[in-house]
Amino acid sequence: GDSVTQMEGPVTLSEEAFLTINCTYTATGYPSLFWYVQYPGEGLQLLLKATKADDKGSNKGFEATYRKETTSFHLEKGSVQVSDSAVYFCALRIETSGSRLTFGEGTQLTVNP
Amino acid sequence: NAGVTQTPKFQVLKTGQSMTLQCAQDMNHNSMYWYRQDPGMGLRLIYYSASEGTTDKGEVPNGYNVSRLNKREFSLRLESAAPSQTSVYFCASSGLAGGSVADTQYFGPGTRLTVL
Repeated sequence: GDSVTQMEGPVTLSEEAFLTINCTYTATGYPSLFWYVQYPGEGLQLLLKATKADDKGSNKGFEATYRKETTSFHLEKGSVQVSDSAVYFCALRIETSGSRLTFGEGTQLTVNP
Repeated sequence: NAGVTQTPKFQVLKTGQSMTLQCAQDMNHNSMYWYRQDPGMGLRLIYYSASEGTTDKGEVPNGYNVSRLNKREFSLRLESAAPSQTSVYFCASSGLAGGSVADTQYFGPGTRLTVL
């Protein structure tokens, strides 16, 4: 079945450090890929998405490129801030499954000043 | 617009008790979802409703029932709560009216449920 695997957390960085959170997927069709972010005590919010191979999603300084050859969608940010501390979820959606999302296990990021 | 709202925010139950979690959206979305979030396991789909009048099982439906009351509301019922159902429950919605399906899901703030 379809699945998403994220790098294990938690991840702790200093402010202005470079961030990479790895995400790889297994899918039977051609998925759309997403990164969601969950701030403490809140629900999930869409951070960025890509719907086809080689697309780059970007938002709030975060970027991720849809790599079909490596089945990956790694999240990157050049300079993290304390306010980026949150849990990050990689997810995929297959066209034949409608709008159903399959999530990774989430990666906790803590950014220290 | 309030987006997706959930009630209650917190709930403590004893084993065997029943309760209903409420969810409503004001974005005229066609599809609604219930997820549970457990540490180290991400979000797992319990039930979903692709459109008003339809419901389908997700990955972990056992012990739950749902009702799509109308286009706005989608409730989740625990008939006989068990400690294994201690979790954070999220409702989500997606899909604009008019035949254009948006693939972004919008989430509510969650209900934190503890079953003793």
